[in-house]
Amino acid sequence: SQQGEEDPQALSIQEGENATMNCSYKTSINNLQWYRQNSGRGLVHLILIRSNEREKHSGRLRVTLDTSKKSSSLLITASRAADTASYFCATIQGAQKLVFGQGTRLTINP
Amino acid sequence: DSGVTQTPKHLITATGQRVTLRCSPRSGDLSVYWYQQSLDQGLQFLIQYYNGEERAKGNILERFSAQQFPDLHSELNLSSLELGDSALYFCASSVDAGSSSGNTIYFGEGSWLTVV
Repeated sequence: SQQGEEDPQALSIQEGENATMNCSYKTSINNLQWYRQNSGRGLVHLILIRSNEREKHSGRLRVTLDTSKKSSSLLITASRAADTASYFCATIQGAQKLVFGQGTRLTINP
Repeated sequence: DSGVTQTPKHLITATGQRVTLRCSPRSGDLSVYWYQQSLDQGLQFLIQYYNGEERAKGNILERFSAQQFPDLHSELNLSSLELGDSALYFCASSVDAGSSSGNTIYFGEGSWLTVV
C-alpha cells in the first residue's frame, strides 16, 4: 500500500517561481524523506525531517512536517530548469521499509 | 554520487532467463534495500538485508531472491523472467536497520532490465 501520497501529481511553473509539493501519509512515522528523480535516473536524497521537527531548510529547499495532519510539504524557491524532475516523499512503514508515493512531476519552463 | 554502486546499468534478456543484479552499498552502511520501479506500480519495496540477514520483505515474487554477502554487497536474482519484470531495479543502503529517526537511505542509479 502507498504510504506517502504526493499532491499534485504534476506541476508546471515558470523559471524563477516557487514550487510547492505536498505529501500525506497514513501511519505514525519516525521520519519523512524527500527524493528527486530525473527521468530514468537514480533517486537523489534531498532532505530528511524527523518526526519531532516541524521545518527544515537545505539551500533552496524548505520542508515542513505536520504530524497531527500526517502531511509534509516541499517548497523549492526560485526554481531553475534543472529542478525539472519527479519528487517523491517516503516514510518508514513498519520497522524498516521505506514506502514511496507516486511522486509529483515538476516541470520548470524557461 | 550517492556512493551506492549498481551493476549492470542496463540489461536486455529474453523471457524465461535468469539475471543477477549486483549492489555495493555505501562504505559503512550495513543495510541494503532492493526496490523495483515500473510505470504501472511505481516504486515498490522488495526486500531488505541488514548485516547479512534478511530484515524485511515486501512485494518480492517467489521467482526473485536476494542475499547479502559478508563483505556487505548484495545480489538480486531474478529468474524465469517475464515481460512484466521489465523495470528499473534500485538498490539502496543505510547505516542502520531503518527504524531510527535519523536513518537516511541512499539510492544507487539503478539497473534497467528489459525482458524481450
